[in-house]
Amino acid sequence: DAKTTQPTSMDCAEGRAANLPCNHSTISGNEYVYWYRQIHSQGPQYIIHGLKNNETNEMASLIITEDRKSSTLILPHATLRDTAVYYCIVRSYGGATNKLIFGTGTLLAVQP
Amino acid sequence: GAVVSQHPSWVICKSGTSVKIECRSLDFQATTMFWYRQFPKQSLMLMATSNEGSKATYEQGVEKDKFLINHASLTLSTLTVTSAHPEDSSFYICSATRASGRGTDTQYFGPGTRLTVL
Repeated sequence: DAKTTQPTSMDCAEGRAANLPCNHSTISGNEYVYWYRQIHSQGPQYIIHGLKNNETNEMASLIITEDRKSSTLILPHATLRDTAVYYCIVRSYGGATNKLIFGTGTLLAVQP
Repeated sequence: GAVVSQHPSWVICKSGTSVKIECRSLDFQATTMFWYRQFPKQSLMLMATSNEGSKATYEQGVEKDKFLINHASLTLSTLTVTSAHPEDSSFYICSATRASGRGTDTQYFGPGTRLTVL
């Protein structure tokens, strides 16, 4: 699976949009981009995933560049409860390769 | 939503004893479950992939005789840490896959089990 690069940490003001970038320049055609987050001492929480089209759900939006080499997770109105480590993961689908390999992620600190 | 539970949420044991951790998918059937370990201030590390009715596949460097995995049904996988030692103290997290209906599947994680070995 392709490797991802994320900033180590980011700050965001409460109520503002949080934009978390992720680079995955070696992504291949059958690999999806997944986003998870982990609040301290809890299991990771699924946020969103996409292949090449932009995606939106009740939690966030995922913007994938046309060349698919990078993506941005957008939390439209960050709250204090959104403070967590956000993981961007690229993985192919199917068979033995559907495991998730976690990198170091981005620690998002939402400030009051 | 997809709910995955773990039991116990925390456990303290003496060195040399064995500890069993259960992982259940509560509202869906999971053909594949995964076990992760996370040390303080580190990311999650995949330990093994567990498929219902077959032997688990362990990641490189993970001792299969020390970390016994059983996936007896589509909703239950167990991880047994045998002869636990203080260095096995960690946060153990399981996940289960569920079809997302968009040509792929999604992993949902349990809340984790904190193991402390004295």
